Amino acid sequence: ETGVTQSPTHLIKTRGQQVTLRCSSQSGHNTVSWYQQALGQGPQFIFQYYREEENGRGNFPPRFSGLQFPNYSSELNVNALELDDSALYLCASSQTGAVDTQYFGPGTRLTVL
Amino acid sequence: GQQLNQSPQSMFIQEGEDVSMNCTSSSIFNTWLWYKQDPGEGPVLLIALYKAGELTSNGRLTAQFGITRKDSFLNISASIPSDVGIYFCAGQTGANNLFFGTGTRLTVIP
Repeated sequence: ETGVTQSPTHLIKTRGQQVTLRCSSQSGHNTVSWYQQALGQGPQFIFQYYREEENGRGNFPPRFSGLQFPNYSSELNVNALELDDSALYLCASSQTGAVDTQYFGPGTRLTVL
Repeated sequence: GQQLNQSPQSMFIQEGEDVSMNCTSSSIFNTWLWYKQDPGEGPVLLIALYKAGELTSNGRLTAQFGITRKDSFLNISASIPSDVGIYFCAGQTGANNLFFGTGTRLTVIP
């Protein structure tokens, strides 16, 4: 177990709705990255938050947004949900932001109908 | 974005056999990482490679960073049932962005 927790475990939404996913980082970690993993694919980097600021973004539209709180936990918000947003959403926390030191949570499975 | 192709897509092997899988890219990476993902879990880092030509071992696992910096391979020796899972390669260009491969699904038959 990595110490990174995510909630909820699963959820189902309909097209056009908005969703908020949550991530608690491992103790002592100040950086959180979010990834989208479609079925049968590898994870794709969405963005990273370091000390409450966005610190890098992948190729995702602005309707994917995030927040990081003073305790370093983080939220991923997705507006105007589309069917293709159905995926496993993973967060990963690290102490330095370096990808080789990050630990992944178990993910939130989002289904958009 | 960068495309990382892993092969094979899936493998069925007998317990005790050695396994070899590889990852190729059209782009150069500064760091190669190999992960294992079990059902219902996030990926877990197995090996990190930082230099072209580097060969690194972690127990029964051995990985190499290709000389061209566009490929990497992972070998697992004497496979055991708990090696079952999906193995992903990932490459980093220098920023905090990590590009994952398409995955190799490994099944070990006892």
